[in-house]
Amino acid sequence: GAGVSQSPSNKVTEKGKDVELRCDPISGHTALYWYRQSLGQGLEFLIYFQGNSAPDKSGLPSDRFSAERTGGSVSTLTIQRTQQEDSAVYLCASSDRGPNTEAFFGQGTRLTVV
Amino acid sequence: QKEVEQNSGPLSVPEGAIASLNCTYSDRGSQSFFWYRQYSGKSPELIMFIYSNGDKEDGRFTAQLNKASQYVSLLIRDSQPSDSATYLCAVPSSNDYKLSFGAGTTVTVRA
Repeated sequence: GAGVSQSPSNKVTEKGKDVELRCDPISGHTALYWYRQSLGQGLEFLIYFQGNSAPDKSGLPSDRFSAERTGGSVSTLTIQRTQQEDSAVYLCASSDRGPNTEAFFGQGTRLTVV
Repeated sequence: QKEVEQNSGPLSVPEGAIASLNCTYSDRGSQSFFWYRQYSGKSPELIMFIYSNGDKEDGRFTAQLNKASQYVSLLIRDSQPSDSATYLCAVPSSNDYKLSFGAGTTVTVRA
């Protein structure tokens, strides 16, 4: 695709429900990131996938959060038993391998837990 | 110590002035450095990258890199109201290229 695509753009869910957020990276990009950004705050790193290496999950805030990347392409971020504090914009980014490659961001998914 | 640190904001400058943004990083082996701009409600977008010590100019933007001091900066000359945004410094790690972002500096250009 032309850019990083995320779906849905907006998601409203009830507290306690599970949600899945999808990210379609730029074709051929081996690296994929998930970030969370609360209103007025900076980027909070969640998880990093790089090729076939084990993902860096060091940023996941709790065991309610998980992510997978199937076939080295599409990624899904799952939040179980959502809480109101999970409300934020979830951003996905992808990049090619190597130290000199920029990351391209998707438009984000705005999650609201009511 | 955070991997990437930026000077605290917000930074308010008058139109036409120079805005100076600073960033320090902890990984001495990092080779490339990126500046992203994020408008309110939008995703970050790359505006500058620099790999070599010294200055790199692109229009009204100048990136400066000093690897010995582990310091990178961004200058915005002739600041315009459209430059009002949050600027994020990003540095990939030397072992797995994972990008680390600073907290960002919010710039407001006063007309």
